[in-house]
Amino acid sequence: SYELTQPPSVSVSPGQTAKITCSGDALARQHGYWYQQKPGQAPVLVIYKESDRPSGIPERFSGSRSGTTVTLIISGVQAEDEADYYCQSVDSDATIVFGGGTKVTVL
Amino acid sequence: QVQLQESGPGLVKPSQTLSLTCTVSGDSVSSYSYYWNWIRQPAGKGLEWVGRIYTSGTTNSNPSLKSRVSLSLDTARNQLSLQLTSVTAADTAIYFCAASAVNLGQYFFLHWGQGTLLTVSS
Repeated sequence: SYELTQPPSVSVSPGQTAKITCSGDALARQHGYWYQQKPGQAPVLVIYKESDRPSGIPERFSGSRSGTTVTLIISGVQAEDEADYYCQSVDSDATIVFGGGTKVTVL
Repeated sequence: QVQLQESGPGLVKPSQTLSLTCTVSGDSVSSYSYYWNWIRQPAGKGLEWVGRIYTSGTTNSNPSLKSRVSLSLDTARNQLSLQLTSVTAADTAIYFCAASAVNLGQYFFLHWGQGTLLTVSS
């Protein structure tokens, strides 16, 4: 199976833009997904298929892909966005893989 | 809206088999609309996909766990179940069940349960 690599942490001031990257060879041909997880809670899907946003997710959450890297972008960061964020994709044999997670701290 | 609720024994002894159940509401586990998944998370660590099952009985599981994982559906109780054999302390984690929508792409998780903590200890 393959790996997805995320930075362990990202710090951002309120109102600024946070960008979280996720890299892996399979992302060149497989979709990437993003989840937000707050302490003690289940993950919540915030972006699917690189850039689609589920119903109920604020517009400040967006995503993109370039080559083997997908990026989650949080524009106008709010204090409530402080959380762990995980990327996810799928291997060629249908094995689902998560990145190691990125802790977003709002300063 | 699909809702999921995990349940389990809380504590299992090493070398034993853990059994977890997820009760589904809002849709049927017999539905062709969803794949039903298990995902786990050790305390303070990241997410690990365990496996999934479809109404047809088709299953996929993480190669790192494949030989120890058994997945099943109970249509009468509208539940999915996970059995993991020969557990060790490394299997201590919060276990989530989650649903993947077939029509949106079956490889991501739209609905999640709240999770159940499973501790392996003697």
